[in-house]
Amino acid sequence: QLQLQESGPGLVKPSETLSLTCTVSGGSISSSSYYWGWIRQPPGKGLEWIGSIYYSGSTYYNPSLKSRVTISVDTSKNQFSLKLSSVTAADTAVYYCARLFMLSFSPAFDIWGQGTMVTVSS
Amino acid sequence: SSELTQDPAVSVALGQTVRITCQGDSLRSYYASWYQQKPGQAPVLVIYGKNNRPSGIPDRFSGSSSGNTASLTITGAQAEDEADYYCNSRDSSGNHRCLVFGGGTKLTVL
Repeated sequence: QLQLQESGPGLVKPSETLSLTCTVSGGSISSSSYYWGWIRQPPGKGLEWIGSIYYSGSTYYNPSLKSRVTISVDTSKNQFSLKLSSVTAADTAVYYCARLFMLSFSPAFDIWGQGTMVTVSS
Repeated sequence: SSELTQDPAVSVALGQTVRITCQGDSLRSYYASWYQQKPGQAPVLVIYGKNNRPSGIPDRFSGSSSGNTASLTITGAQAEDEADYYCNSRDSSGNHRCLVFGGGTKLTVL
């Protein structure tokens, strides 16, 4: 059974770079049928798509975050990663990684990690 | 960017039927997927595509679409269905590779 697990610092200082890794177990990140994505949820608020990546390295980012976001994949480690630069308190959120597939060109995130809380504070 | 609009809150009596809607221009071209999220938990996919349920999702959950509106229907709502529900689809503002979530609907089962 495929599982995803986020890892990374729970506390990041303002203006620094948030870095998270998602480890995929029980299956290959190199499957041609899936993309991989990052989603975040500020406390008490809704879900926000951050971006997605294909195993080949093709990336797609939320336009509102594009200037600060980098998503990368390491197929040898079965991992993909998120870097968000110049963070502020507004970036405080639970960050989820998830598997994404397309059906009739329509998206669905079918497997999610448990989420990791990241707080931006000095 | 494109938006998906959901009612912030909906309530339903135990055992009755409730429809949760999601509106957006992109839904004229793409299907919405639907997620259930309970407090402190990760979202769970309940409906995707035209009307598909992942394994383990009860058949009281169904999806439909008309024009710019996608709907999630729970037929015979149970107490355990009380949760936040989010829709998700593609952006339609120009970059179809971007995705967007609705703002979420808090479902209360009375």
